[in-house]
Amino acid sequence: QKEVEQDPGPLSVPEGAIVSLNCTYSNSAFQYFMWYRQYSRKGPELLMYTYSSGNKEDGRFTAQVDKSSKYISLFIRDSQPSDSATYLCAIMDTGRRALTFGSGTRLQVQP
Amino acid sequence: DSGVTQTPKHLITATGQRVTLRCSPRSGDLSVYWYQQSLDQGLQFLIHYYNGEERAKGNILERFSAQQFPDLHSELNLSSLELGDSALYFCASSQGSGNTIYFGEGSWLTVV
Repeated sequence: QKEVEQDPGPLSVPEGAIVSLNCTYSNSAFQYFMWYRQYSRKGPELLMYTYSSGNKEDGRFTAQVDKSSKYISLFIRDSQPSDSATYLCAIMDTGRRALTFGSGTRLQVQP
Repeated sequence: DSGVTQTPKHLITATGQRVTLRCSPRSGDLSVYWYQQSLDQGLQFLIHYYNGEERAKGNILERFSAQQFPDLHSELNLSSLELGDSALYFCASSQGSGNTIYFGEGSWLTVV
């Protein structure tokens, strides 16, 4: 079993839709949770960072963490074609201080 | 632009050869991380340096080594290259250990 599981998609939605991206993890030592966006093999771009259970909002993006279920989510409201990319969840191991990534979900927003 | 600079952007080399990838972290960042991204393995953590000292190792092969210099730039050395080493190699940096981590644009290595 991988430490971080993420549905690879692809996920195709119409412009304006609400997108839900999810990851599950197995290691309770994970304490910090991040979402990255990656365009066609470019460098991953940090979107959201949180370390506690609950919701964190930034513009059209909301990150949600449920530590009891070991489940994290990213919601994108009013999705745009420019949101088409691969979204990677990343979780930090407080021991190694290194990120463990999910496999990434490829999102396509259709105009 | 994340502020993390990686060179070269692309390189093609033959099996058995050795290459060096270079990374300049964001101004003020003391931590440097190296990651490998291949099609079948996703993003894999290789190694973490903090202010010149190795802090953690991930799935880094013995043929690979890294170091962080006093000016905080870092180099990843890949030797005895094999076809399977073809991948995108990312450098990332953060202020300390555990802070938000920012990635460079990567060095695309092709081994032929």
